[in-house]
Amino acid sequence: DADVTQTPRNRITKTGKRIMLECSQTKGHDRMYWYRQDPGLGLRLIYYSFDVKDINKGEISDGYSVSRQAQAKFSLSLESAIPNQTALYFCATSDYLNTEAFFGQGTRLTVV
Amino acid sequence: RKEVEQDPGPFNVPEGATVAFNCTYSNSASQSFFWYRQDCRKEPKLLMSVYSSGNEDGRFTAQLNRASQYISLLIRDSKLSDSATYLCVVNWGTDKLIFGTGTRLQVFP
Repeated sequence: DADVTQTPRNRITKTGKRIMLECSQTKGHDRMYWYRQDPGLGLRLIYYSFDVKDINKGEISDGYSVSRQAQAKFSLSLESAIPNQTALYFCATSDYLNTEAFFGQGTRLTVV
Repeated sequence: RKEVEQDPGPFNVPEGATVAFNCTYSNSASQSFFWYRQDCRKEPKLLMSVYSSGNEDGRFTAQLNRASQYISLLIRDSKLSDSATYLCVVNWGTDKLIFGTGTRLQVFP
């Protein structure tokens, strides 16, 4: 089993719909991250969390919200999806020293 | 200035060639640096860490130049399997990891 698991792997949704992307990890790491990747723009940080009580905005948090339900779970929500949120989304974890980030396999989201 | 900058490429090189990528970063307080490899539509995976003056792992050598605020990745004797996107990653203090946009490498026979 993968250390970092994202669900769903692919999703097509309509504009205006609420959607949640889920991430769970078995690494035992405190730090979890959500990134989105667009062609030519690389990985951009949406939100990150250092523990269950600590949530921080990244560079592109508008239109997104997150929930850290437990140390192992970090979900990303799009309250009202719009087409420019079509992207590849990655969840990642790291230890407190940020020595290495471990990524999930990604969620390909299409908003039509 | 972007926090982490890379030449997007693509770098098209023949098998056996030596190729080098550079990455510049803007935060002089950055303490740790990494190169990740990403295959098409896959998740990024750690290739090498660069903690001090650089390190070598087989055909791959990573260097850090703090004075000029850049890191480099050198690949010797390129293989077809080296074709991928190489992401430069900088530890922004202890807060977060900042990724460059990546440099695409295509090795041809």
